[in-house]
Amino acid sequence: GENVEQHPSTLSVQEGDSAVIKCTYSDSASNYFPWYKQELGKGPQLIIDIRSNVGEKKDQRIAVTLNKTAKHFSLHITETQPEDSAVYFCAASISGPDGNKLVFGAGTILRVKS
Amino acid sequence: EPEVTQTPSHQVTQMGQEVILRCVPISNHLYFYWYRQILGQKVEFLVSFYNNEISEKSEIFDDQFSVERPDGSNFTLKIRSTKLEDSAMYFCATREANEKLFFGSGTQLSVL
Repeated sequence: GENVEQHPSTLSVQEGDSAVIKCTYSDSASNYFPWYKQELGKGPQLIIDIRSNVGEKKDQRIAVTLNKTAKHFSLHITETQPEDSAVYFCAASISGPDGNKLVFGAGTILRVKS
Repeated sequence: EPEVTQTPSHQVTQMGQEVILRCVPISNHLYFYWYRQILGQKVEFLVSFYNNEISEKSEIFDDQFSVERPDGSNFTLKIRSTKLEDSAMYFCATREANEKLFFGSGTQLSVL
């Protein structure tokens, strides 16, 4: 089955700097790659996603890139702010007729220091 | 903004007891999921549910687990006889026909 590896496990950046989190996946059939932000005591919140027919997607300060050949995808956060501090999870799934299940990475604790 | 609602937020139970975790999906969503997260670990898939039946389940989802949507609104996860290792945060997630999955805030289950 699918396996998703995520790095780094923790990341500290200075406010205003960029943060990059990287994930690799094992199943070449995976075609949907969302990123979730989880704040303490809350459920994962979808922040951006990308499908396998697209190489890059941007939404304000957040961007995601996908390299299908290498089977890796990355989250880029620019101009980080203290409120970006959270745990970030990447995930991968294969879309199917009955639905898709997400396989998550282990998470990255992002700390933005002001 | 529509939300997935989970109750209770915390549940403490004795080993061997039955627990039912409840979820109210976003109203037009058709696909329902349960995931769990043991403290400090990955979010893990348990089960998916569509058209009133299980679509897929993981190896974690053994005979002690069941799901149902008894009244067309609530989506429940039942653990028949809880074990210590069932202690985790349980998340309900729902979606429309597209892939975007929305999670609830979770139920923290503590088995003593």
